[in-house]
Amino acid sequence: QITLKESGPTAVKPTQTLTLTCTFSGFSLRTLGVGVGWIRQPPGKALEWLALIYWDDDKRYSPSLGNRVTLTKDTSKNQVVLTMTNMDPVDTGTYFCARRIYGEYYFDHWGQGTLVTVSS
Amino acid sequence: QSVLTQPPSVSAAPGQKVTISCSVVGSTIGDEHVSWYQQLPGTAPQLLIYDNNKRPSGIPDRFSGSKSGTSATLSITGLQTGDEGDYYCGTWDTTLSGGGVFGTGTTVTVL
Repeated sequence: QITLKESGPTAVKPTQTLTLTCTFSGFSLRTLGVGVGWIRQPPGKALEWLALIYWDDDKRYSPSLGNRVTLTKDTSKNQVVLTMTNMDPVDTGTYFCARRIYGEYYFDHWGQGTLVTVSS
Repeated sequence: QSVLTQPPSVSAAPGQKVTISCSVVGSTIGDEHVSWYQQLPGTAPQLLIYDNNKRPSGIPDRFSGSKSGTSATLSITGLQTGDEGDYYCGTWDTTLSGGGVFGTGTTVTVL
């Protein structure tokens, strides 16, 4: 059974750095072709892809975020960490992590999401 | 980068059929691999359709996908109250960012 779960702070202040962790089971980031991505959803709005990291440490980031986002992985702990700098109230939303298999064009398993509020 | 446009909402009575369109702006959808996600209230998105018309294991055949010309379509037949929620089409940016692209989302209401 494949599961993913996001964890991290529920609130941050403007200009602070957000760090979220995706802990997964049922698959490994040592396996050829496996990737874990992050997607966010502002309240009442659509999904937005943020970033993706693959088994070979290839990383992809949304151009809209510039250099604010960084992904790292810890294969021994089955975790992917998202770091987003200079947080702003418009970054408020639910953050999901999800699995992608390279060569497929979708996210097949999703975490439950974690709500992050950016407010002073 | 492709932009995927969906109608904001669709509705129908229980047992009826609804269709949700997904139009690609910026390229032809003929080259795109379209997926669909269902997001029930307060839950995470779930993969409903992939590669335009394939269903993951466990997804009922009431849900079907198609692609034609510059758009893709999700059809839900035998509509149930449990189908109420938001539906997103998706594809992949294979040229620039190498990441996912999601549609604007459609809310399905069962009357």
